[in-house]
Amino acid sequence: QVTLKESGPGMLQPSKTLSLTCSFSGFSLSTSGMVVSWIRQPSGKSLEWLAAIDWDGDKYYNPSLKSRLTVSKDTSNTQVFLKITSVDIADTATYYCARNRYNWGFAYWGQGTLVTVSS
Amino acid sequence: DIVMTQAPLSVSVTPGESASISCRSSKSLLHSNGITYVYWYLQKPGKSPQLLIYRMSNLASGVPDRFSGSGSETDFTLKISRVEAEDVGIYYCGQLLENPPTFGGGTKLELK
Repeated sequence: QVTLKESGPGMLQPSKTLSLTCSFSGFSLSTSGMVVSWIRQPSGKSLEWLAAIDWDGDKYYNPSLKSRLTVSKDTSNTQVFLKITSVDIADTATYYCARNRYNWGFAYWGQGTLVTVSS
Repeated sequence: DIVMTQAPLSVSVTPGESASISCRSSKSLLHSNGITYVYWYLQKPGKSPQLLIYRMSNLASGVPDRFSGSGSETDFTLKISRVEAEDVGIYYCGQLLENPPTFGGGTKLELK
């Protein structure tokens, strides 16, 4: 059974660095074709893809946010991390991690973690 | 970035009737390998999105066959036959042809 779960600080102040963790089970990120992405959704708005890391350790970023994003994974291939620097109120959103394999679509999603940026 | 545009913004459907949602991409999503990289997701109230259709017309695992996807290179349709109460939510189209993956603005389905 594939599961993903996001964790984060809940709330942080503007200009700080947001650190998010995606813990998953039921698959290995080292399996060929596997990709874990970060996607966010401000309240009442659509989805925005942020970054991804694949089975080969290759990293992909949304060009609009690339300078602020860092995606990584742990050596056991059971967690993926995302750091967003210099957060602003506009970064307030629910952050999801999702699994894709060979572009068959984001078939598995975590429950999401709400991050509020506020002073 | 590839822009995905959905219509309508909302649709109200009588249970048991059919509903169609449209999505248009700013460039062709047909790859030279013959696969069209468009996807449909449903986000039920308070829940995470779930995959309905992958690669334009393939039903994701566990999705009722009341759902179907079709289209061309830039124009796509999600059809829901015999709408049920559990189909209420926001439907999103998305593309995986190019990075970054992008999504449409969403179409809200409500029951009459």
